[in-house]
Amino acid sequence: QVQLQESGPGLVKPSETLSLNCTVSGYSISSGYYWGWLRQTPEMGLEWIGSFHHSGRMYYHPSLKSRVTMAFDTSKNQFSLILTSVSAADTAVYYCAGGDYVGPFDQWGQGTRVTVSS
Amino acid sequence: EIVMTQSPGPLSVSPGERVTLSCKASQSVSGNLAWYQQKPGQAPRLLIYGASIRATGIPTRFSGSGSGTEFALTISSLQSEDFAIYYCQQYNKWPPVTFGGGTKVEIK
Repeated sequence: QVQLQESGPGLVKPSETLSLNCTVSGYSISSGYYWGWLRQTPEMGLEWIGSFHHSGRMYYHPSLKSRVTMAFDTSKNQFSLILTSVSAADTAVYYCAGGDYVGPFDQWGQGTRVTVSS
Repeated sequence: EIVMTQSPGPLSVSPGERVTLSCKASQSVSGNLAWYQQKPGQAPRLLIYGASIRATGIPTRFSGSGSGTEFALTISSLQSEDFAIYYCQQYNKWPPVTFGGGTKVEIK
């Protein structure tokens, strides 16, 4: 059974950098799935942030591309999200997820709430 | 960016009733459309992909239809555990993948 678990600080100060990790168990991230990050707010709903394949293909939301970096560590079966220069608009529940392609996500973490506030 | 528009909610439905939710795309997404169910405090769960293919473990009372710009999710006989918010998502033209705003199905 595939399980995803997000981890990271729940509070980030404005203008600073948000860093989240996703630990995957039950499936190797180098086995062919696409992995990614999404976020959800009451105002914006569900928003895709980006996805990647272990081969190195990376895809980012155009509106976030300048501030987002994804990375992965196959030895730890983890991947990460880095979002720079955060503002209150980045306050959201962040999910890591996986799927056959950059499309339907059939595996989700439980989500982690991140608040941007001083 | 493709905009996904879902039927406004909430929809008030009695258990056992049939309900159909709609989703429209601002341009054709072919059959690259997914539906998710989300309950409070939980992550979304994939119900349907490819517009009409049930994901693993999804009950047969859930069915999806449509292509191009108009899609529907039908729950044939609403069960108590089906009261939730439902989202559609297109993955035909990306980046970005985009979601609809969701339709809440509540108990009448």
